[in-house]
Amino acid sequence: NAGVTQTPKFQVLKTGQSMTLQCAQDMNHNSMYWYRQDPGMGLRLIYYSASEGTTDKGEVPNGYNVSRLNKREFSLRLESAAPSQTSVYFCASSDLRQGDYEQYFGPGTRLTVT
Amino acid sequence: QQQVKQSPQSLIVQKGGISIINCAYENTAFDYFPWYQQFPGKGPALLIAIRPDVSEKKEGRFTISFNKSAKQFSLHIMDSQPGDSATYFCAASETSGSRLTFGEGTQLTVNP
Repeated sequence: NAGVTQTPKFQVLKTGQSMTLQCAQDMNHNSMYWYRQDPGMGLRLIYYSASEGTTDKGEVPNGYNVSRLNKREFSLRLESAAPSQTSVYFCASSDLRQGDYEQYFGPGTRLTVT
Repeated sequence: QQQVKQSPQSLIVQKGGISIINCAYENTAFDYFPWYQQFPGKGPALLIAIRPDVSEKKEGRFTISFNKSAKQFSLHIMDSQPGDSATYFCAASETSGSRLTFGEGTQLTVNP
């Protein structure tokens, strides 16, 4: 099992460009999440999907959109990148149906917006 | 507004010493309190978690102490080892478990 995979690992964008971060999990989890990590601020939830076909805003959703493509895949899109979106982005998944709240994280995507 | 406050921001401990990281929360609806460990270049991974029906949980060298009345919980790492050097995050969520609120993180360095 690969667990949670993310692509790309690194990306540099110019202000105003768009891109999609990809995430996939092979653990048959029903819930998936997108976080951003910034120094001194911990991890902040951008969007999450409790189950296939549903998405909800987290703490910092502005400037982002998400798509739960199927049970395995959850993508994050930046329509018009801004320097404030320079961050490390993590995707995670969990299976809340089992009463287990553990979230499994991917290796992250380091994004720089110039 | 940071609902989970973590301290200290950084911590240096000698090998064999005790590392203590503290967190305080505001939301009384929180009922699940995990700690995540993150090594450089990796995603966070669950280390240990507690629910408020117990005041302490121990797994090997790692212990969570929980004080419901004070709305505080802490991570104790006994006999700290250089391999424990990492960033540690406390977090909290409500019963649904779907939204974790993380603390700011503590960078732990254990000197040999």
